[in-house]
Amino acid sequence: DAKTTQPNSMESNEEEPVHLPCNHSTISGTDYIHWYRQLPSQGPEYVIHGLTSNVNNRMASLAIAEDRKSSTLILHRATLRDAAVYYCILRDGLSSGGSNYKLTFGKGTLLTVNP
Amino acid sequence: NAGVTQTPKFQVLKTGQSMTLQCAQDMNHNSMYWYRQDPGMGLRLIYYSASEGTTDKGEVPNGYNVSRLNKREFSLRLESAAPSQTSVYFCASSFVRQQNTEAFFGQGTRLTVV
Repeated sequence: DAKTTQPNSMESNEEEPVHLPCNHSTISGTDYIHWYRQLPSQGPEYVIHGLTSNVNNRMASLAIAEDRKSSTLILHRATLRDAAVYYCILRDGLSSGGSNYKLTFGKGTLLTVNP
Repeated sequence: NAGVTQTPKFQVLKTGQSMTLQCAQDMNHNSMYWYRQDPGMGLRLIYYSASEGTTDKGEVPNGYNVSRLNKREFSLRLESAAPSQTSVYFCASSFVRQQNTEAFFGQGTRLTVV
């Protein structure tokens, strides 16, 4: 499985932008980059995903490097409700040759938002 | 729309007892998953089911069994609970064969084995 590397923790101030980095140097050509976050005492929730182009949705933006070996999750204006663990994950599905799909989680980045 | 529902939310077991964690989804998803999360750690995959009638081992399957009862339900059984199985268990579901779709997670079952 392709692995991802994220900083253990990051800190931000409320209403400021946050850039959460992720390195995935062994990504394969068909792997999608997914981001999930986990709020305290809750299950993970989907944030955004992409393949090659930058992506925007109501929660965040995803910037993908041209060589796809890294990506950045951008929260445009952090709020206290954005304090969570953010996971960068590569989809391990069709590229493995099987009919399965696995989401393999690392330890993620703990984002602290200061008021 | 309930999404992924897990029962129970909390459970305390004695060493050697057995129990089944239940999971149901109402989104017509093909695939379902069981993860465990230990304090300060990420989620580790225990078992998954790509479709009704199939199950496969994940990263940490020892001590667990699963049953894909139908398309909606995927249960996780601990035959003889051990303190090392104290953890938070999450069930998830998604469409299989589509890399660009999201997975949905339940709220978790907090299990303590004493």
